[in-house]
Amino acid sequence: GAGVSQSPSNKVTEKGKDVELRCDPISGHTALYWYRQSLGQGLEFLIYFQGNSAPDKSGLPSDRFSAERTGGSVSTLTIQRTQQEDSAVYLCASSLNWRGGRMNTEAFFGQGTRLTVV
Amino acid sequence: GQNIDQPTEMTATEGAIVQINCTYQTSGFNGLFWYQQHAGEAPTFLSYNVLDGLEEKGRFSSFLSRSKGYSYLLLKELQMKDSASYLCAVRDSNYQLIWGAGTKLIIKP
Repeated sequence: GAGVSQSPSNKVTEKGKDVELRCDPISGHTALYWYRQSLGQGLEFLIYFQGNSAPDKSGLPSDRFSAERTGGSVSTLTIQRTQQEDSAVYLCASSLNWRGGRMNTEAFFGQGTRLTVV
Repeated sequence: GQNIDQPTEMTATEGAIVQINCTYQTSGFNGLFWYQQHAGEAPTFLSYNVLDGLEEKGRFSSFLSRSKGYSYLLLKELQMKDSASYLCAVRDSNYQLIWGAGTKLIIKP
């Protein structure tokens, strides 16, 4: 697609339910990032994929959070047994691999999924 | 550990110039990015520096000194629509993006 697509754009769920968030990166982008952002706060890193592998999972807040990426493209972030503190905007970004030099390989962000746990 | 520091909030006047600083300590360096984020929206790319010096793009310029671990974003002829958060990010040796917490810029008439 033309840009990074995330779905759903909004999700309201009951405490204790599981949710699945989807990210469709820009075609050909091998790097994919998940972030979480609470109102008025900075980006909180969750997980980074290079292709289908996740070299850095250090940001996942607890074992209720998991993510996968298949075919080097679509990624899903799953939150099990949601808690109210999970309420935030979940942002996905993708980028090309940097090959050195001055070539710009910025990350492109999707519009995010606003998750509200009630 | 890896760290990106930038001021939490700055205030400037419409039509003026403002400089937002960013200092970093990361495991390797593969480029520095500035993003703009309006409230309720996703971050959008502004500028990229990988070599020392100044990159100019219209009203916005970004400077990098790798030896000092320092960058700044310079915004000229400020407009009310420039009110936003400005995020500094560094790509480290593992190709991971390390983000600062962002600087909230408030523009006053």
